[in-house]
Amino acid sequence: QTVVTQEPSFSVSPGGTVTLTCGLSSGSVSTSYYPSWYQQTPGQAPRTLIYSTNTRSSGVPDRFSGSILENKAALTITGAQADDESDYYCALHMGSGFWVFGGGTKLTVL
Amino acid sequence: EVQLLESGGGLVQPGGSLRLSCAASGFTFGSYAMSWVRQAPGKGLEWVSVISGSGSTTYYADSVKGRFTISRDNSKNTLYLQMNSLRAEDMAVYYCAKMEGKQLVQWYFHFWGQGTLVTVSS
Repeated sequence: QTVVTQEPSFSVSPGGTVTLTCGLSSGSVSTSYYPSWYQQTPGQAPRTLIYSTNTRSSGVPDRFSGSILENKAALTITGAQADDESDYYCALHMGSGFWVFGGGTKLTVL
Repeated sequence: EVQLLESGGGLVQPGGSLRLSCAASGFTFGSYAMSWVRQAPGKGLEWVSVISGSGSTTYYADSVKGRFTISRDNSKNTLYLQMNSLRAEDMAVYYCAKMEGKQLVQWYFHFWGQGTLVTVSS
């Protein structure tokens, strides 16, 4: 069974930079998985941030960026703000119309 | 403005059935694949099913295969999820999502509805 791994939690100072990662329990993440990233605050629907590894969705500030780092998909937030405090989920397309989400990272800004 | 409005959630007994609907507006519904994604209380997101724009192609997560059926009525701009043989572990908020991407492998969850809660309990 494929498991997509994310850090359960992360903390960043206001104005700081943080990189969240999205890996596989077995194997490496590449652009072929078309990783995407979603932000969710409690009680709200998810919001799309990044798709196809590094393309920002419409209206997403450029302080959010996506990449592949050391065999994992990565979401970097540069100049973190208080309202970036959210849960962040990655999703990988595993092929044949099958997606798997990571367990999510709870980001604290303090 | 894209809008997705889910409905049909509620309380159902284990083994029961429920049909969710997702009314879409603000885009050419039949031109886009649609998905259902769920989130159990206090848990992460789980992809459930996807259907192509025409409705001819569907895929399911193993956890719901054989019990859930995704469908759409492009004349009514509505997506459905028929859920049968419901289990306690199916209890979740169910989101519908508009997919984007040029081809299947590139599809991603572009826009999300606000969700509808399904509670499975006796």
